[in-house]
Amino acid sequence: GAVVSQHPSRVICKSGTSVKIECRSLDFQATTMFWYRQFPKQSLMLMATSNEGSKATYEQGVEKDKFLINHASLTLSTLTVTSAHPEDSSFYICSASGTGRMGTEAFFGQGTRLTVV
Amino acid sequence: GQQLNQSPQSMFIQEGEDVSMNCTSSSIFNTWLWYKQDPGEGPVLLIALYKAGELTSNGRLTAQFGITRKDSFLNISASIPSDVGIYFCAAPSVSGTYKYIFGTGTRLKVLA
Repeated sequence: GAVVSQHPSRVICKSGTSVKIECRSLDFQATTMFWYRQFPKQSLMLMATSNEGSKATYEQGVEKDKFLINHASLTLSTLTVTSAHPEDSSFYICSASGTGRMGTEAFFGQGTRLTVV
Repeated sequence: GQQLNQSPQSMFIQEGEDVSMNCTSSSIFNTWLWYKQDPGEGPVLLIALYKAGELTSNGRLTAQFGITRKDSFLNISASIPSDVGIYFCAAPSVSGTYKYIFGTGTRLKVLA
């Protein structure tokens, strides 16, 4: 199957700093990428939809100025958590969908665990 | 809003036993998906269902798309230790897209 890679897999940052998480589709062109957030022992919650070359669409309650999403190419989307605070500590997961034969499902990355201290 | 409720929330089973879990909603969906998530990893697709009443298998896993389109079931036969993990159902919040909502999850723990 297709591979979606997230980097870093784990990151610890100080409160007030910004952290960038990358999501790459390694073997297909991802026209759309999605960013999810998962708190411990909870389900995945969709944060935003990222379309290549256009502005991201955020779900209700997600601060777009807090979680900056850039989808500058068909293989890369980034999520930047700005001015991070301890309550932003969470597991962030991206998924990517493509076209053609890669358009039958969304493929998930391995996730990034963010800890803000 | 759209919600997917899974039951049971968690379960312990003996190795070799069969497992059943379900996912229900008050909303109608045209696609149901089942994912497994291991600790510290992203979810991995197990089975996708696209038609009401459809019954699909993947090895020891069998899933069904409920005829009302408001529920789905996942069965695991002859469970083994590596079946441990969290199982999520998911469905597109917007039909025809990959914008998924996820269920509340069923945490499976196997007693060897």
